[in-house]
Amino acid sequence: GESVGLHLPTLSVQEGDNSIINCAYSNSASDYFIWYKQESGKGPQFIIDIRSNMDKRQGQRVTVLLNKTVKHLSLQIAATQPGDSAVYFCAENSNQGGKLIFGQGTELSVKP
Amino acid sequence: GAVVSQHPSRVICKSGTSVKIECRSLDFQATTMFWYRQFPKKSLMLMATSNEGSKATYEQGVEKDKFLINHASLTLSTLTVTSAHPEDSSFYICSASPDRLNTEAFFGQGTRLTVV
Repeated sequence: GESVGLHLPTLSVQEGDNSIINCAYSNSASDYFIWYKQESGKGPQFIIDIRSNMDKRQGQRVTVLLNKTVKHLSLQIAATQPGDSAVYFCAENSNQGGKLIFGQGTELSVKP
Repeated sequence: GAVVSQHPSRVICKSGTSVKIECRSLDFQATTMFWYRQFPKKSLMLMATSNEGSKATYEQGVEKDKFLINHASLTLSTLTVTSAHPEDSSFYICSASPDRLNTEAFFGQGTRLTVV
């Protein structure tokens, strides 16, 4: 069936470095994608989103890139900080009444 | 941003009992809310779509008689885990959105259910 998946389950970076988290999606009909951050024992927190009519969107220290040709999504975090340590999920809005399909998640660990 | 509140955040219950989890949108109305289940080190799995004033829509493989959903108002959805068993132990999360297309979903803080 349709799914959203991630290439890297874990990522360890040094404080101050840039982080890149990747995601592949399979539903070519999806037109809206979101990145969430989840800290241990908490619900997902919205980071940034992007619509399919865009290929890049920037926020504060974060950038999301969308490559529809290869169905690939990435999240870039600039100057990664210890507070960025968490699990990051990509999700796609499946256009089925607003359902979100989540990727498997990447655990980001930031070393001080 | 908008706030979605879940209660309780943690609950321990005995096998065979039922547990109710509440999901409230505090500053907006939501005709649709979503319930997810998450196992440790795993992703969120959609269980069901809660529809205000009508029956919930369950995902394939989710037992509707096991996981009762009620969405009686535009700000409250409840998930009741009936006759709970240890395998029902999990992290349950709800989400809601101010818009019908769920393009801006906000999540509750989750409920850790432990069945002993």
